Amino acid sequence: EADIYQTPRYLVIGTGKKITLECSQTMGHDKMYWYQQDPGMELHLIHYSYGVNSTEKGDLSSESTVSRIRTEHFPLTLESARPSHTSQYLCASSSGELFFGEGSRLTVL
Amino acid sequence: GENVEQHPSTLSVQEGDSAVIKCTYSDSASNYFPWYKQELGKGPQLIIDIRSNVGEKKDQRIAVTLNKTAKHFSLHITETQPEDSAVYFCAASLGSARQLTFGSGTQLTVLP
Repeated sequence: EADIYQTPRYLVIGTGKKITLECSQTMGHDKMYWYQQDPGMELHLIHYSYGVNSTEKGDLSSESTVSRIRTEHFPLTLESARPSHTSQYLCASSSGELFFGEGSRLTVL
Repeated sequence: GENVEQHPSTLSVQEGDSAVIKCTYSDSASNYFPWYKQELGKGPQLIIDIRSNVGEKKDQRIAVTLNKTAKHFSLHITETQPEDSAVYFCAASLGSARQLTFGSGTQLTVLP
């Protein structure tokens, strides 16, 4: 069973608020990822990291930012949330096989 | 880049019947093909994968087949049970998780 945790699981906020979605893994994986999952179910890679102090943008453009100060921690931040940011955000890590967290469902009013 | 197409988008079967989900990929260099199951309110979970040097792989009621020439691969679930109801994603990769391209998902419903 994968040990990757996301908080909060659900978040409803107003437009303009700053939010941070937390992701932690205890498997010691160097590689971590953030995916955005739209209502049509498709998974889109928005950020990834191959190790501490390494972050890259993914295939889908996103206004969010990420940081990787510790191996086990890969938070995602939205400086000013908008309704278009409403989505499910999935964190994952890998050392080969990809392990997903349970997701953070964000609703911006 | 890689493009993965998945069909059907929804699939309903009677309990005990078989279910088949098909995917095609565009990049002949892809060599890793995982399948994920996503239950409601949870993240996707790897259920089976296959590499390009293998044509078929089985794990109990689940099997995956790969046709490299035609560039398609399929998930087969036999003796379906209600707990198999979920969204299933195929994916193709050139070898790393960063390079995974996902299909659009199939909502499988097993009717009791």
